[in-house]
Amino acid sequence: EVQLVESGGDLVRPGGSLRLSCAASRFAVDSNYMSWVRQAPGKGLEWVSVIYSGGSTDYAHSVKGRFTISRDPSRNTLFLQMNSLEIGDTAVYYCAGGSGDCGTDCYDYWGQGTLVTVSS
Amino acid sequence: DIQMTQSPSSLSASVGDKVTITCRASHNIDTYLNWYQQKSGEAPKLLISAVSSLHSGVPPTFSGSGSGTVFTLTIDSLQPADFATYYCQQSHSVPLTFGGGTKVEVK
Repeated sequence: EVQLVESGGDLVRPGGSLRLSCAASRFAVDSNYMSWVRQAPGKGLEWVSVIYSGGSTDYAHSVKGRFTISRDPSRNTLFLQMNSLEIGDTAVYYCAGGSGDCGTDCYDYWGQGTLVTVSS
Repeated sequence: DIQMTQSPSSLSASVGDKVTITCRASHNIDTYLNWYQQKSGEAPKLLISAVSSLHSGVPPTFSGSGSGTVFTLTIDSLQPADFATYYCQQSHSVPLTFGGGTKVEVK
């Protein structure tokens, strides 16, 4: 069974940094595409960033230049480095994996989420 | 960017009812449209991809249709497990975007 397990969420001050991790089991982070999707408290889903199997990446306008997505195939783990955090970045962050079975950029596997709170 | 608009934002229904949710895209997205279900406190789950392909394990009471800019998710005979929030998502182009969600509540 595929498992995606996020970690690294925490309370951080505005302007601070945080690195989220998503450890994958039975799902190769470098052979599939993966995204980070966030959900602010009581709000809907917002796509944050994607990394494709070939290594190309992309970002939502709201985080471009502040967040960096990466992966470590040796640890089979996905990362999201978040810098210059803003109060508006407060959310549960989900990692999501797409096996390609459902087409392009659809996500058939999701982690349980990790909470990032940005507050002074 | 492609904007996705869902309607209604919420609805009340009873077990056994037929429910239809609409999702509109601001640009033509062909059939690059997926649907997710999210229950309170849980991660989203893929229901339908490419407009109408049911994901593994999704009951056939769910169906999707549409193309271009207007899409629908239909639940025939609503079951207790179906009370949740539903999101559409376009996979036509980056930035990927989701609809605002439709919360299906007990009437």
